[in-house]
Amino acid sequence: DAGITQSPRHKVTETGTPVTLRCHQTENHRYMYWYRQDPGHGLRLIHYSYGVKDTDKGEVSDGYSVSRSKTEDFLLTLESATSSQTSVYFCAISEIRANEKLFFGSGTQLSVL
Amino acid sequence: DQQVKQNSPSLSVQEGRISILNCDYTNSMFDYFLWYKKYPAEGPTFLISISSIKDKNEDGRFTVFLNKSAKHLSLHIVPSQPGDSAVYFCAAIFNSGGAQKLVFGQGTRLTINP
Repeated sequence: DAGITQSPRHKVTETGTPVTLRCHQTENHRYMYWYRQDPGHGLRLIHYSYGVKDTDKGEVSDGYSVSRSKTEDFLLTLESATSSQTSVYFCAISEIRANEKLFFGSGTQLSVL
Repeated sequence: DQQVKQNSPSLSVQEGRISILNCDYTNSMFDYFLWYKKYPAEGPTFLISISSIKDKNEDGRFTVFLNKSAKHLSLHIVPSQPGDSAVYFCAAIFNSGGAQKLVFGQGTRLTINP
């Protein structure tokens, strides 16, 4: 299994509070991604990174920001959480080309009350 | 706008029979298709892929078929086993603005009955 660790695994928070999810990899892969999974929508890309300090928006980036200060860490921040951001969040990595054969972490279940 | 659609949210198949999962897409610029499998409380794992220049790819019990004229993709599992019970996502890759984008379908929950 690819070395991807997401933390926390579960989080409950209140509307309006900031939340940061962490993704840590031990594979030294260049590309890292944040997806959210919601019923009826499958997996949707929030943000991705193609190198240290190099990030770009995905299809559902509003309300989210990311940072990548080291190859191994990719942080997803909800500046002011809303109930619509209740979801399961997955981090993924890939080695060579963007998006091919992604390796996913185990996910973070986030509930915003 | 859902570019990749899995119209069956769930599928139930008897052990030993064939499972067929379907996926339709709208973007003719997709150049690579993939299937991912997901167990509860785990992340998706890559299963099998196919290039748009091919119409079939086989890997053991798993075969993916691509019908470009119909914009249709299917995954066949033969024979189906209880461990195949999972959610299956189809996905497609296309180039946009110099970057490759991956788009997922909504997923189909496959249940294999003993």
